[in-house]
Amino acid sequence: NAGVTQTPKFQVLKTGQSMTLQCAQDMNHNSMYWYRQDPGMGLRLIYYSASEGTTDKGEVPNGYNVSRLNKREFSLRLESAAPSQTSVYFCASSELEGFWSNQPQHFGDGTRLSIL
Amino acid sequence: AQSVTQLDSHVSVSEGTPVLLRCNYSSSYSPSLFWYVQHPNKGLQLLLKYTSAATLVKGINGFEAEFKKSETSFHLTKPSAHMSDAAEYFCVVRGPDTGRRALTFGSGTRLQVQP
Repeated sequence: NAGVTQTPKFQVLKTGQSMTLQCAQDMNHNSMYWYRQDPGMGLRLIYYSASEGTTDKGEVPNGYNVSRLNKREFSLRLESAAPSQTSVYFCASSELEGFWSNQPQHFGDGTRLSIL
Repeated sequence: AQSVTQLDSHVSVSEGTPVLLRCNYSSSYSPSLFWYVQHPNKGLQLLLKYTSAATLVKGINGFEAEFKKSETSFHLTKPSAHMSDAAEYFCVVRGPDTGRRALTFGSGTRLQVQP
């Protein structure tokens, strides 16, 4: 079982370049998420998709866009990369999203992104 | 809205001694609580979760956590640390709000295990 797969694992960009981070899950989960992790700040939600065909903003959505391509795949796009977006990005999935949901999230291994 | 505070950013123990990682939460409703572990250059892995069925929750790798509503705490413990336990640990609270407010992460506790 692969679980949640993220590509690429590492990337270096120049300021102003664009890039799409890919995420796929093979657990037939309905909900998918993109987080960024910065030192001393835990994980912060960028965008999420409660189910196929829907997306919504999280805590820190500015500078990002997402696409829920199908039930398996959820991509994150940086249109014009900035140094402040240097971070580790994690994709996660869970069976359900919503009120009273206690479903845990399953995480990929992350994409380490540096923007010069 | 819910929040979570991990009281120690770093904890260092000797191999074979007990581990205590402290977490306090706030939530307007009965929350779901999780502990995740992150090993270097890896994603987060679920250790255990509390969902109101029992106040003492057992997880993987010998970890357990006790939910104490009166103290709004959900501390993670292990009787005897192993070198492989060295990692970062995150306490996570999930309240009834949907979407972006649903899952709140603590800032993490880095556990060092000395030989």
